[in-house]
Amino acid sequence: EAQVTQNPRYLITVTGKKLTVTCSQNMNHEYMSWYRQDPGLGLRQIYYSMNVEVTDKGDVPEGYKVSRKEKRNFPLILESPSPNQTSLYFCASRTGGVNNEQFFGPGTRLTVL
Amino acid sequence: ILNVEQSPQSLHVQEGDSTNFTCSFPSSNFYALHWYRWETAKSPEALFVMTLNGDEKKKGRISATLNTKEGYSYLYIKGSQPEDSATYLCAFGHGGSQGNLIFGKGTKLSVKP
Repeated sequence: EAQVTQNPRYLITVTGKKLTVTCSQNMNHEYMSWYRQDPGLGLRQIYYSMNVEVTDKGDVPEGYKVSRKEKRNFPLILESPSPNQTSLYFCASRTGGVNNEQFFGPGTRLTVL
Repeated sequence: ILNVEQSPQSLHVQEGDSTNFTCSFPSSNFYALHWYRWETAKSPEALFVMTLNGDEKKKGRISATLNTKEGYSYLYIKGSQPEDSATYLCAFGHGGSQGNLIFGKGTKLSVKP
């Protein structure tokens, strides 16, 4: 089944404790992206990747890191999480250009205490 | 700053009513307009990707139109059913064919039986 997977789905952590949210897709998509969703703000892009070893900042990259060492994986790293990073996170992927639909992962609900 | 506006923010209709929502986006540097359906506790799923001015797309009771010259798209639902209850997101594709999506905040539709 073609899909985007994320882990963990839910995470409660404390300020400053490094964490990684994994994202994997099995559709051989070149483009992958991370978004956060906050009430009243809609989906905002954190980082994106056009292909292996090619990553770039989105609209809200502060406090996050990413890597793209393999085509299928695009982990999101929070080196020192803070409470303002409490949010619902979605990973997405697509093939080719912006005229192709994006496929979203199931979401990761993160709470930073 | 690129802005994508959706209206109304929320909508309550009775089963059987037909309804429509609006997505407004910048009329310059247009590459694509996406519509997604987002049910509570699930991830957004693509409904339509539209690229040409005057495009009309249809999937069952749901259809969409696109006007790139004036920067708007309409989503129509004919004969709403309770299972249509969801948040409908539009996203503006910009920055070239390999660009990113800017999401609106969505229209939340509730259909009462």
